[in-house]
Amino acid sequence: KAGVTQTPRYLIKTRGQQVTLSCSPISGHRSVSWYQQTPGQGLQFLFEYFSETQRNKGNFPGRFSGRQFSNSRSEMNVSTLELGDSALYLCASSSGPLAGELFFGEGSRLTVL
Amino acid sequence: AQTVTQSQPEMSVQEAETVTLSCTYDTSESDYYLFWYKQPPSRQMILVIRQEAYKQQNATENRFSVNFQKAAKSFSLKISDSQLGDAAMYFCAYISNFGNEKLTFGTGTRLTIIP
Repeated sequence: KAGVTQTPRYLIKTRGQQVTLSCSPISGHRSVSWYQQTPGQGLQFLFEYFSETQRNKGNFPGRFSGRQFSNSRSEMNVSTLELGDSALYLCASSSGPLAGELFFGEGSRLTVL
Repeated sequence: AQTVTQSQPEMSVQEAETVTLSCTYDTSESDYYLFWYKQPPSRQMILVIRQEAYKQQNATENRFSVNFQKAAKSFSLKISDSQLGDAAMYFCAYISNFGNEKLTFGTGTRLTIIP
């Protein structure tokens, strides 16, 4: 069974640009969540989707958005990039509520210059 | 709001020895899961062990075991017979058992294995 796949793995953008990151969950998993990992702030929850609906959202500005498609694949978008958005963005999937375990992808490392 | 605290930013242990990583958490809920995740350098995060709050018995996975003290809100990880491959960042994490897939992470402990 394939694991959680994130693309692209690495990308470099400049301030003011926007970026879209993609996550394909494990087959059969309907919940996808996103986390931002930085040396200063650690791992912070961005949002979670289940069956195309956003169920939970972290404390991030509106520049951060996401969506989930009918095949459970998810994308997150960051508009008007700032230097502080440089981070490793991790996607995790689970089979659903109360599953008790999240499976993580390798992450997309975003550098904003 | 739930919080997870890891008070040891770095730990080191001799190969084949035992090490314990500490974690405390704060929650008003009674039903939840606790996890230890391992993140090797430049590699993906993987689950090491999990504990369901309603289970009194401490979870064990091969060389990894936990000491879960629900009343004290403490959840430590013991690694026995440490191996070089155990070197990684270890994150303690909490998730509510109410259909909420939001993990709250601690700040992590970097574990170094000394050959």
